[in-house]
Amino acid sequence: ELKVEQNPLFLSMQEGKNYTIYCNYSTTSDRLYWYRQDPGKSLESLFVLLSNGAVKQEGRLMASLDTKARLSTLHITAAVHDLSATYFCAVTYNNNDMRFGAGTRLTVKP
Amino acid sequence: GAVVSQHPSRVICKSGTSVKIECRSLDFQATTMFWYRQFPKQSLMLMATSNEGSKATYEQGVEKDKFLINHASLTLSTLTVTSAHPEDSSFYICSASPRVPVGLFGQGTRLTVV
Repeated sequence: ELKVEQNPLFLSMQEGKNYTIYCNYSTTSDRLYWYRQDPGKSLESLFVLLSNGAVKQEGRLMASLDTKARLSTLHITAAVHDLSATYFCAVTYNNNDMRFGAGTRLTVKP
Repeated sequence: GAVVSQHPSRVICKSGTSVKIECRSLDFQATTMFWYRQFPKQSLMLMATSNEGSKATYEQGVEKDKFLINHASLTLSTLTVTSAHPEDSSFYICSASPRVPVGLFGQGTRLTVV
């Protein structure tokens, strides 16, 4: 059974600081995704990582994938308040169904 | 561009009634769609995989007779919560993927059963 573990579950940061969210998964996966969810809203796609060594960046967020270690990271650079949200990683395997990590609730304080 | 549209966004119903939620793929065809359930402050849990023209595949512990899924066309899947009870109150989200592996999600439906 595919398991996706995400940590930390809660993250409180000061504005301007850097931090990394980790996502481990238990079996070979087709693709790895990072999503953002604001309270009461659905999921917003941030990144899709397809291959080992893939790195994608958008603004203050950068995601990477190490398929050998079955690990993806989401790095936050110089955090700002607008980044406060819950971030989920998810992996797909077999017939495209998607399994989610528990989510990281990020709060960026001024 | 490709979008997954879900309707309604919010619904309040009385215990014992049934509620239908629609999930449509716009600008692409989806032979497979997925239904998720999310309780407050928790992650998304896959309920079932909806396959166009065939029966849905349900995850372990999900009642097939309770959560009826119909995927009658390549652009529409519906989830009907039958004989709803307060414990069915949750956020239901559908997803589908166009050829580009983006993993698109609907806006979600917040169901409240009173």
